[in-house]
Amino acid sequence: KNQVEQSPQSLIILEGKNCTLQCNYTVSPFSNLRWYKQDTGRGPVSLTIMTFSENTKSNGRYTATLDADTKQSSLHITASQLSDSASYICVVNNSGGYQKVTFGTGTKLQVIP
Amino acid sequence: KAGVTQTPRYLIKTRGQQVTLSCSPISGHRSVSWYQQTPGQGLQFLFEYFSETQRNKGNFPGRFSGRQFSNSRSEMNVSTLELGDSALYLCASSLEPSGITDTQYFGPGTRLTVL
Repeated sequence: KNQVEQSPQSLIILEGKNCTLQCNYTVSPFSNLRWYKQDTGRGPVSLTIMTFSENTKSNGRYTATLDADTKQSSLHITASQLSDSASYICVVNNSGGYQKVTFGTGTKLQVIP
Repeated sequence: KAGVTQTPRYLIKTRGQQVTLSCSPISGHRSVSWYQQTPGQGLQFLFEYFSETQRNKGNFPGRFSGRQFSNSRSEMNVSTLELGDSALYLCASSLEPSGITDTQYFGPGTRLTVL
């Protein structure tokens, strides 16, 4: 069964600090992995998309890494800001079969002053 | 360029009723995907339409159905509502089908409450 697990479930950090969120998946065959940011009460916003051949991608202060061999991804947030407080969701698409999109349950990040 | 719009934003229904939700994608986008989000299950994929054809379907009962029109607008229908259908229903659009490396843009969602 395709699964995406994220850790930690929740995280509190001080403004200005860095943090790293983890995503492990068992989706196969793999097509791409996406990280989304979802503010409370709003739809998710895409941060990065990575295919099998990409092992790092940046979007401003957000840097995602992908290790397709170990089926792990991480999202690193640099110099956190209060506006980074949100849920971060890892999504993996598979290229075959019926269930094509598998979502992680998300990491809820709170940045405090 | 206008974003993805969903109507209505909030809806209250009772068990046994049916409901239709609407999604207007970003202009030029031909792919529309629907998702259900609940606190317990997180985000779950319902189905995806591309050029009026259902491309993919998640693991939901037949009470959940959808369609896409020639202008790429999409509707989702849920019949015989159950309490467990209470959720935020999100629609996302993209230029190409979601399996391809193309950014999906989400709408604000429709909050459905079933009493």
